[in-house]
Amino acid sequence: GAVVSQHPSWVICKSGTSVKIECRSLDFQATTMFWYRQFPKQSLMLMATSNEGSKATYEQGVEKDKFLINHASLTLSTLTVTSAHPEDSSFYICSARPSGFTDTQYFGPGTRLTVL
Amino acid sequence: DQQVKQNSPSLSVQEGRISILNCDYTNSMFDYFLWYKKYPAEGPTFLISISSIKDKNEDGRFTVFLNKSAKHLSLHIVPSQPGDSAVYFCAASGADSWGKLQFGAGTQVVVTP
Repeated sequence: GAVVSQHPSWVICKSGTSVKIECRSLDFQATTMFWYRQFPKQSLMLMATSNEGSKATYEQGVEKDKFLINHASLTLSTLTVTSAHPEDSSFYICSARPSGFTDTQYFGPGTRLTVL
Repeated sequence: DQQVKQNSPSLSVQEGRISILNCDYTNSMFDYFLWYKKYPAEGPTFLISISSIKDKNEDGRFTVFLNKSAKHLSLHIVPSQPGDSAVYFCAASGADSWGKLQFGAGTQVVVTP
């Protein structure tokens, strides 16, 4: 149980285009999902908290207009990287927290984004 | 500031022996602690957790120990297996975290034959 999927697993795009990444909790409902970014050989950096039915909460320094988050249902959150540039190339990972009293997050497999 | 610290960036252990990973935290509001395992180019996998009302939690080969007075926790893996070679992240949350996890920098474990 507690499976989280991400799609796509990798994407290459041209500079200036937008890329959408989907995060789905497959066997549980998640009121809250989180989006992280990981740079090589570094820890996970929390970008934003996505709450179903409300606006996402962004961490300091993360541009909300660049990284659009939509949490349309209890099993789906999307991250759209708008007008991507090479410096946005990274490994993006989502996690989902089952609804209820738990702080355990279950992570997706990640999405490797390369912007040319 | 780094509220969760893993001071050992790497650990090498022989197959069959015990792996001990350490984690320190500074925020006294943390009351829930987790360990995740991560392979390259994959998302972290949840291993084991412990709440602050306990000092030990065991699940198969994995045991987590919590010392609240020292603000220290450790993960014991015994016996270590080659498939355990990965990066291990310690994470913590508390009443003031709003569900967010604070992660340590990770410890790279290499299990040698």
